[in-house]
Amino acid sequence: DSGVTQTPKHLITATGQRVTLRCSPRSGDLSVYWYQQSLDQGLQFLIQYYNGEERAKGNILERFSAQQFPDLHSELNLSSLELGDSALYFCASRVGDTQYFGPGTRLTVL
Amino acid sequence: GENVEQHPSTLSVQEGDSAVIKCTYSDSASNYFPWYKQELGKRPQLIIDIRSNVGEKKDQRIAVTLNKTAKHFSLHITETQPEDSAVYFCAASKVAQGGKLIFGQGTELSVKP
Repeated sequence: DSGVTQTPKHLITATGQRVTLRCSPRSGDLSVYWYQQSLDQGLQFLIQYYNGEERAKGNILERFSAQQFPDLHSELNLSSLELGDSALYFCASRVGDTQYFGPGTRLTVL
Repeated sequence: GENVEQHPSTLSVQEGDSAVIKCTYSDSASNYFPWYKQELGKRPQLIIDIRSNVGEKKDQRIAVTLNKTAKHFSLHITETQPEDSAVYFCAASKVAQGGKLIFGQGTELSVKP
């Protein structure tokens, strides 16, 4: 157990819908990173937050947004969902140089 | 841009043999190189990492080597066991610039008993 939690574990929804994925970092960790893992794209960095502020952006679509709250949990919002958004979404928190991953949310868009 | 190439994409070995996975990175400013093991449907789990000021690191049956000049690093697993079967990912990051991980494409390792 990495100490990073994510909810929900599974999410099934339809095209055009909007969903919210939640992540709680390890106690005391200020950073949250979001990654998407799909069969064709592999593991890709989406966005990073540090103590409530956005720090870095990767290959994140405009339909996707994220935020980190004062209690340090983070939410990833995915809107106007397409079939190609089906993937595993991981968040990670960082201690020193090391990132510890949560269990992931499996999103299926039908 | 930032890129990490990983080879091979699949690797099959007999139990007890060694396995080697190689990665090449493009950004010479990268200074931290972790390796993750991922079982089907599970989270990536860190198995070993190396920083740019070190050439080699070992932890029991696992070792990682780094060649900064050539911009490549390798994972070596000795005395492989069936429970080593998984997908292995290398990654590179620039720690002082936020530390986002750029991953290789993954290697599916199969250890046959």
